[in-house]
Amino acid sequence: EVQLVESGGGVLRPGGSLRLSCEASGFIFDDYAMNWVRQAPGKGLEWVSGINWNGGSIGYADSVKGRFTISRDNAKNSVYLQIDSLRAEDTALYYCARARVSSHFYYYMDVWGKGTTVTVSS
Amino acid sequence: EIVLTQVPGTLSLSPGERATLSCRASQSISITYLAWYQQQPGQAPRLLIYGTSTRATGIPDRFGGSGSGTDYTLTISGLEPEDFAVYYCQYYGDSPGTFGQGTKLEIK
Repeated sequence: EVQLVESGGGVLRPGGSLRLSCEASGFIFDDYAMNWVRQAPGKGLEWVSGINWNGGSIGYADSVKGRFTISRDNAKNSVYLQIDSLRAEDTALYYCARARVSSHFYYYMDVWGKGTTVTVSS
Repeated sequence: EIVLTQVPGTLSLSPGERATLSCRASQSISITYLAWYQQQPGQAPRLLIYGTSTRATGIPDRFGGSGSGTDYTLTISGLEPEDFAVYYCQYYGDSPGTFGQGTKLEIK
C-alpha cells in the first residue's frame, strides 16, 4: 500500500524549533519529488516547501523562506522539514505529499499523508 | 506568480443536483497544469483531476474538469452525499504550486 506517515509535530513556544518527518512506503521513493503543505485551523491549503528526487531542486513559500529547511534521505525513504524561529502563524496541520514526477516538486500531488499538527503558543 | 481565485466561496446544493465550481487564474495558463483536489472534513486532500480534465485513479466519472486560458471549471453531476466537501484548484506549471482558496460545497 502506498503510504506517507508524518511525525514530529507538537506544541512549541514562539522562537522554537522542530523537525517534521515523513516516511514513505509502498513505492520507489526516489522516483518522486516530495512536498510539505500546511493548513492552518479553518483555512485553506498552503504549499510550504518541495524537493525533487535527489535534493538538487528545492523551493519554499515566501512565508517560510529562511526559517524552514527541507531535506530528504532516499536510503530511509524519508523527507524532513526543519522549522526554526517558529511563529504563531506557523500553527497548522502539516501534510507530506508526493508529487507525481521526480524532477518538479511543484507538480500535482497524488499521495498525501494524514498530517502532523504543529501548535505555536506562548 | 500565478494567483488562483475560486468562486463561489460556498455553494449550497442538494444531493442529485449538478455542481459547477470555478477557478480563475491571474494570467493565462496551460491546460496541462491545472489540478483539482477534494478535502472531506477531517481528512487529507485527495487528488481528483489533473491536466484540467483527466480524472485521477478511482475518481468516479461524475467528476469532470474543463477550461482553458484563465478559466477552469470542476463539474460534479448528480451530487452524492460524500461529495459535500471543500474543493481546491492548483496550478503546477511552475514553483510555487499555488492553490486556490477553496470552494466549500455544502448540503442545502
